[in-house]
Amino acid sequence: GQQLNQSPQSMFIQEGEDVSMNCTSSSIFNTWLWYKQDPGEGPVLLIALYKAGELTSNGRLTAQFGITRKDSFLNISASIPSDVGIYFCAGENYGGSQGNLIFGKGTKLSVKP
Amino acid sequence: DAGVIQSPRHEVTEMGQEVTLRCKPISGHNSLFWYRQTMMRGLELLIYFNNNVPIDDSGMPEDRFSAKMPNASFSTLKIQPSEPRDSAVYFCASSTDRYYGYTFGSGTRLTVV
Repeated sequence: GQQLNQSPQSMFIQEGEDVSMNCTSSSIFNTWLWYKQDPGEGPVLLIALYKAGELTSNGRLTAQFGITRKDSFLNISASIPSDVGIYFCAGENYGGSQGNLIFGKGTKLSVKP
Repeated sequence: DAGVIQSPRHEVTEMGQEVTLRCKPISGHNSLFWYRQTMMRGLELLIYFNNNVPIDDSGMPEDRFSAKMPNASFSTLKIQPSEPRDSAVYFCASSTDRYYGYTFGSGTRLTVV
């Protein structure tokens, strides 16, 4: 079945550093989404990308939909302690109707003050 | 907006017992999804409904699992009989046809002993 390869699995960074994580797949997706999950909570949508090549920002977060439609990255600039959590990418390829979001395994981010 | 509401937040039960998880989607959302999250397998889609009708239940692990959506504001996921390997966090999410970003509930942490 379809799979998303998300890397890195975990990151330990210093507060103030920039963070970069990515997702790749052998399948083409029409939509890429990035979620963040805090401990004990459900994933929360950060950024949604709908077009190949699209670059979208949300505050300190920037994400891009790869030209090949098989990959996406998420960057976080000037990390702060509240950025700690698990970040998931998700891809969807049922055009025009709700389908099945495929999730990556997540990148666990730890930020040292 | 109260978001997606799941109950209970935590459930501990003995092997062989019946377990029922409940979900109230966001009002106006016409798609509802049940996911299971484990360390080993990440987020897995179990089943999703569109306009209260089950569309894809291929992720339901076995006949012990069943899900219903009797109306637009309520869904249940039932496990009967429960087994220790069912221990996981179960998430419900909802969405609309025009928006790919699912809204997740806070999850139910199920422990089967």
